[in-house]
Amino acid sequence: EVQLVTSGGGLVQRGGSLRLSCAASGFTFSKYVMNWVRQAPGKGLEWVSTIHGSGGATFYADSVKGRFTISRDNSKNTLYLQLNSLRAADTAVYYCAKGTSSWDTDRFDYWGQGTLVTVSS
Amino acid sequence: DIQMTQSPSTLSASVGDRVTITCRASQSISSWLAWYQQKPGKAPTLLIYKVSTLESGVPSRFSGSRSGTEFTLTISSLQPDDFATYYCQQYDSYPYTFGQGTKLEIK
Repeated sequence: EVQLVTSGGGLVQRGGSLRLSCAASGFTFSKYVMNWVRQAPGKGLEWVSTIHGSGGATFYADSVKGRFTISRDNSKNTLYLQLNSLRAADTAVYYCAKGTSSWDTDRFDYWGQGTLVTVSS
Repeated sequence: DIQMTQSPSTLSASVGDRVTITCRASQSISSWLAWYQQKPGKAPTLLIYKVSTLESGVPSRFSGSRSGTEFTLTISSLQPDDFATYYCQQYDSYPYTFGQGTKLEIK
C-alpha cells in the first residue's frame, strides 16, 4: 500500500525558514517523480515543485522560485521541501504527491495527508 | 502559463442527478488533463486522467470527455459520497495548473 506521510509544518515568522518532509513507502521511491502542491486556507490547489526520480531535474512555480528548494533522498525514501524567506502568502497546507513516471510530466496518483505552514507577520 | 478556467464554481444538485463540470484550457494541452476530488480536511484524490481514463477503484458513474480545449467531468447519477470539491489539472507542461475548483453541494 502506497503511503506518503508529510511532516515539518508549523508556525514561522515572516522571513523565516522551514523544511518539510514526506516519507514514502509501498513503492520503489526512486522510480517516480515527486511533487509538492499547496492549498491556502479556503482556496484552491497550487502546484509548487516537482523533482524527477533520479533527483536530476527540478521544476518550480514562479511564486516560489529562488526561495524554495525541492530535494529527495532515495536511500531514505524521503522527499523534502526547504522553504526560505517565507511570506504570509506562503501560508497553506502543503501536500506531497506521487507521479506515475520517473521523469515525464504527470498526474498525481497518491497524495500525502498534508502539513500546515503558517507564516505570521 | 496555461490557464485552466473551471465552471461553475458552485453547483447545487440532488442525489440521482446528472451533473457536468467544465474546464477550459487557454491553449492546447493535448489529452493531459486530470480530475481530482477533494473532501473537507482531506487530501485530493485522483478520479480521471488523460481526459477520460478512470483511476482504479473510481465508480463508473464518473466520466470525462474533451472537445478541443474544453474538458468535461460528468457524474451520471449523484451519490451522497460525491458531494465534494472537484478540480481539473493540466499536466501538459510546467507550471502545472489547476482549475479554481467546483464545490458540489446538496440541493
